[in-house]
Amino acid sequence: DAGVIQSPRHEVTEMGQEVTLRCKPISGHDYLFWYRQTMMRGLELLIYFNNNVPIDDSGMPEDRFSAKMPNASFSTLKIQPSEPRDSAVYFCASSFSRPLTGELFFGEGSRLTVL
Amino acid sequence: AQKITQTQPGMFVQEKEAVTLDCTYDTSDQSYGLFWYKQPSSGEMIFLIYQGSYDEQNATEGRYSLNFQKARKSANLVISASQLGDSAMYFCAMRDRNTGNQFYFGTGTSLTVIP
Repeated sequence: DAGVIQSPRHEVTEMGQEVTLRCKPISGHDYLFWYRQTMMRGLELLIYFNNNVPIDDSGMPEDRFSAKMPNASFSTLKIQPSEPRDSAVYFCASSFSRPLTGELFFGEGSRLTVL
Repeated sequence: AQKITQTQPGMFVQEKEAVTLDCTYDTSDQSYGLFWYKQPSSGEMIFLIYQGSYDEQNATEGRYSLNFQKARKSANLVISASQLGDSAMYFCAMRDRNTGNQFYFGTGTSLTVIP
């Protein structure tokens, strides 16, 4: 079975440009999470969805960040306009809703560099 | 308050020796899951082991075992017979229903295996 699929794997862009990161969760998973990882701040939860509905977006740093999940098999994280401090690895992850056994499956991450 | 605390930013272990990575957690839920993930330098997040709050036996997966002490709210990862390939970041995580089934991650422990 395919795992969580993220694209692009690497993105280099200039400050002010729009960035869109994409994620396809594992089929059947009803939770989807977006994380950001940096050396300074570690692994941060940005937003997560349950059955395509955003549950908690308190981790989204600013209005420049937005996330959508139009259907069960696709989610996007958009940054507009991008800034150098947004440079990080962005992980998408998905899981089942069984709370005791539902491990989190991570994508390979999207490494974003904003110049 | 921190949900997951990993107090060891870095650890060193001699090859073939055992090592314990510490993790304490905070939850008022009776039902929760504890997870350990490995992140090698290549960046992917690899699930290692899971422990449910109602599991009476400590979880084991090959050379990994989880030393679960419920009263102390600790879930330490024990790696036996360390190998060079075990050098990586290790993250402890918890999931509980009180907080909407989201996953909480610790700050990680960087393990270096010395030949």
